Amino acid sequence: EVQLVESGGGLVQPGGSLRLSCAASGFTFSSCAMHWVRQAPGQGLEYVSSISTDGGVTFYANSVKGRFTVSRDNSKSMLYLQMGSLRSDDMAVYYCARDSPGGGWTYLDYWGQGTLVTVSS
Amino acid sequence: EIVLTQSPGTLSLSPGERATLSCRASQSVSSNSLAWYQQKPGQAPRLLIYGASNRAAGSPDRFSGSGSGTDFTLTISRLEPEDFAVYHCQQYGGSPPYAFGQGTKLDIK
Repeated sequence: EVQLVESGGGLVQPGGSLRLSCAASGFTFSSCAMHWVRQAPGQGLEYVSSISTDGGVTFYANSVKGRFTVSRDNSKSMLYLQMGSLRSDDMAVYYCARDSPGGGWTYLDYWGQGTLVTVSS
Repeated sequence: EIVLTQSPGTLSLSPGERATLSCRASQSVSSNSLAWYQQKPGQAPRLLIYGASNRAAGSPDRFSGSGSGTDFTLTISRLEPEDFAVYHCQQYGGSPPYAFGQGTKLDIK
């Protein structure tokens, strides 16, 4: 069974940093591109970042470019999102999601349950 | 960058009725690379439809997707009580960054 479990969310002050983790299991992690998507309270889904199977290619939304860094450790089946210079509009539930196996950039077929990031002084 | 606009924002229907949800793209979506997700309160999104019209594993056959180019539709033929949720569309043509619509809330009339 495919499982994605996020952790690392919490309360952080504006300007602070936080690292989110996503533990993957039930599939060959190194064969799937991975993504981070967030959802602010009461809002829709917002794309955050993507990383290729080997970590060599990454993408970011303009809103987080230069502040967030996505990475992965295929030996541990782990996905990470290092977030810096956090702002109030970064406050959201952050989901990790799996790209459909096949190596390309496609739809997100499995999602984690999310981890809440609260930015407040 | 493609912008997706979903309509209506909220749709109020009764169980047994047919639901039609729209997702319009600001430019053509390549290879009909359009997905639909269902999200219930407090839960993560769940994939329903990919490639504009392909049902994901486990999606009931009352859900169907159609459309091409810039106009896409999610249809629920006969609403069941568990179908009342928020529905999101997403384009994934080419490479990221991806775009999501703002969501349509389907609630019970």
